[in-house]
Amino acid sequence: AQSVTQPDIHITVSEGASLELRCNYSYGATPYLFWYVQSPGQGLQLLLKYFSGDTLVQGIKGFEAEFKRSQSSFNLRKPSVHWSDAAEYFCAVGAEGNTGKLIFGQGTTLQVKP
Amino acid sequence: EPEVTQTPSHQVTQMGQEVILRCVPISNHLYFYWYRQILGQKVEFLVSFYNNEISEKSEIFDDQFSVERPDGSNFTLKIRSTKLEDSAMYFCASSTGLEPYEQYFGPGTRLTVT
Repeated sequence: AQSVTQPDIHITVSEGASLELRCNYSYGATPYLFWYVQSPGQGLQLLLKYFSGDTLVQGIKGFEAEFKRSQSSFNLRKPSVHWSDAAEYFCAVGAEGNTGKLIFGQGTTLQVKP
Repeated sequence: EPEVTQTPSHQVTQMGQEVILRCVPISNHLYFYWYRQILGQKVEFLVSFYNNEISEKSEIFDDQFSVERPDGSNFTLKIRSTKLEDSAMYFCASSTGLEPYEQYFGPGTRLTVT
């Protein structure tokens, strides 16, 4: 069955430091991959997506992610974290069958230290 | 920028009562979804809806749940007889269908069943 794994439940980084959030997926074909961010009390905001083509995708708020088929990974990165980036981050994959169903990972909570 | 809206933001109900959660998707979107997130758990797909029909539903979406698009703007989720385990954040999402997995989420309705 398809699944998404985010190995890190909670990550703390210092403001200005670089960030990498890990995401691994299981999927037979080329997946549709997404990262969403959820700030406290807010809904899910789409950060970036990968459908095909260039494996390094740029998103909003200075985030990028790299699709690595050999590692079944789609890690999210940011070179310099801001205090406002503190939130929960969800990786998701589009389910097989082109139904639109998204399968989410458990989420990673990012805390930013001043 | 158009956005998905949901009402109410918080609903408290007693076990066994019926609740209707309301969503107004983005106006030119054709595909509609409900997801839920039990506190501390991952976001789970409930149902997708297109052309006034359910396209796909999860095993969670049993006979107690129903969805409806009663007019040209609203999309509702009804739970007929709520249970304690229905307590969760419920997210509505919509997409154009050009890229069905690229969904835009509302802020959510927190449902508390007592």
